Amino acid sequence: DVKVTQSSRYLVKRTGEKVFLECVQDMDHENMFWYRQDPGLGLRLIYFSYDVKMKEKGDIPEGYSVSREKKERFSLILESASTNQTSMYLCASSFWDSSYEQYFGPGTRLTVT
Amino acid sequence: AQSVTQLDSQVPVFEEAPVELRCNYSSSVSVYLFWYVQYPNQGLQLLLKYLSGSTLVESINGFEAEFNKSQTSFHLRKPSVHISDTAEYFCAVSLTGAGSYQLTFGKGTKLSVIP
Repeated sequence: DVKVTQSSRYLVKRTGEKVFLECVQDMDHENMFWYRQDPGLGLRLIYFSYDVKMKEKGDIPEGYSVSREKKERFSLILESASTNQTSMYLCASSFWDSSYEQYFGPGTRLTVT
Repeated sequence: AQSVTQLDSQVPVFEEAPVELRCNYSSSVSVYLFWYVQYPNQGLQLLLKYLSGSTLVESINGFEAEFNKSQTSFHLRKPSVHISDTAEYFCAVSLTGAGSYQLTFGKGTKLSVIP
């Protein structure tokens, strides 16, 4: 059974704090993705990675960075959290040659106050 | 660039009634098409996909979708819904061929099944 786990289901942080969201997959997938999900806006891609230490910007990378030091782990970093980053964050992974078939984690609901 | 439009943000339907969730896409090149489902408090999971071949694709839980190239549509249908089908449904497109291509998602349709 494919498993994508995210470090927290709920997180509350203060404006200006540095925030780390962690994602781990156990399927030896090459690709990993970070999305944010907002009501009425659907899913928007923040960053993705197709290999260790490799990353590509998605549609809304501003205010975020990522780190992939190991194949199974992909971290999303908010350098200085702001209230407009309050959202649901979803991590996903896939094989390189079938990037359309993504396996999602349960999500982290981040609230920035 | 590709785009996806889901025409209804919310669809309420009575249990055992049929349902259609509409999806239209825009692309200047060939695309693959998908429906993902998100049950309450869960991540998304792939429901069904169209890559090539028969334009009618089916899922294991009774949903089907038909690729219509002339109308650039990929509507999702089920002849008789259950309470357990209550979820948010996302239509998505991807470039064709093997490789690391992004998925472009629609904004989602919330299906509420009324007992």
